[in-house]
Amino acid sequence: SQTIHQWPATLVQPVGSPLSLECTVEGTSNPNLYWYRQAAGRGLQLLFYSVGIGQISSEVPQNLSASRPQDRQFILSSKKLLLSDSGFYLCAWSTIRASGANVLTFGAGSRLTVL
Amino acid sequence: QKEVEQNSGPLSVPEGAIASLNCTYSDRGSQSFFWYRQYSGKSPELIMFIYSNGDKEDGRFTAQLNKASQYVSLLIRDSQPSDSATYLCAFLRGRDDKIIFGKGTRLHILP
Repeated sequence: SQTIHQWPATLVQPVGSPLSLECTVEGTSNPNLYWYRQAAGRGLQLLFYSVGIGQISSEVPQNLSASRPQDRQFILSSKKLLLSDSGFYLCAWSTIRASGANVLTFGAGSRLTVL
Repeated sequence: QKEVEQNSGPLSVPEGAIASLNCTYSDRGSQSFFWYRQYSGKSPELIMFIYSNGDKEDGRFTAQLNKASQYVSLLIRDSQPSDSATYLCAFLRGRDDKIIFGKGTRLHILP
């Protein structure tokens, strides 16, 4: 069965420090991978989308970047964190069901607090 | 116009009653629609998806889709306290196949 791992689960970082969040998927090949952020009062915002190694689509301009160095690995990074980067970061992968529907499955999330 | 709109709630429903959650979307090219449940501090989990007009039932849950009105809803029958959560509506955006979420509706089932 497919599983998705995301780490770290929680982190507190000072403003201006770097960030690296990692996500890996097991039990599937060539998944579509996503990074979402959920900030207070702002809902679930799509940050990055990847259909393959080295292929990254950025949804909104921001202080963050993403990379996909391996088929089942997706990394979210920042060189200098801002207070506004605080939030709950969710990695997800999608699969096409037999019905043709493209369904997302989320990891457990990484809660980032920038002080 | 926002791509997906949901009433933020909270929506309070007595235990055993029917909870009705609603969502409207703006992209007429959308073909697939999803309902996710999110408990506080946890990641969202899929409840149902629907892509044909009409109703789709799964246990106590029924999703309803009306593409002409650009409206999708979720009914929860025999509501239980464990149904208390935030419910997120989402759709597959037609122009780029990305999945876009609403802000969610907080549901509170009163014991």
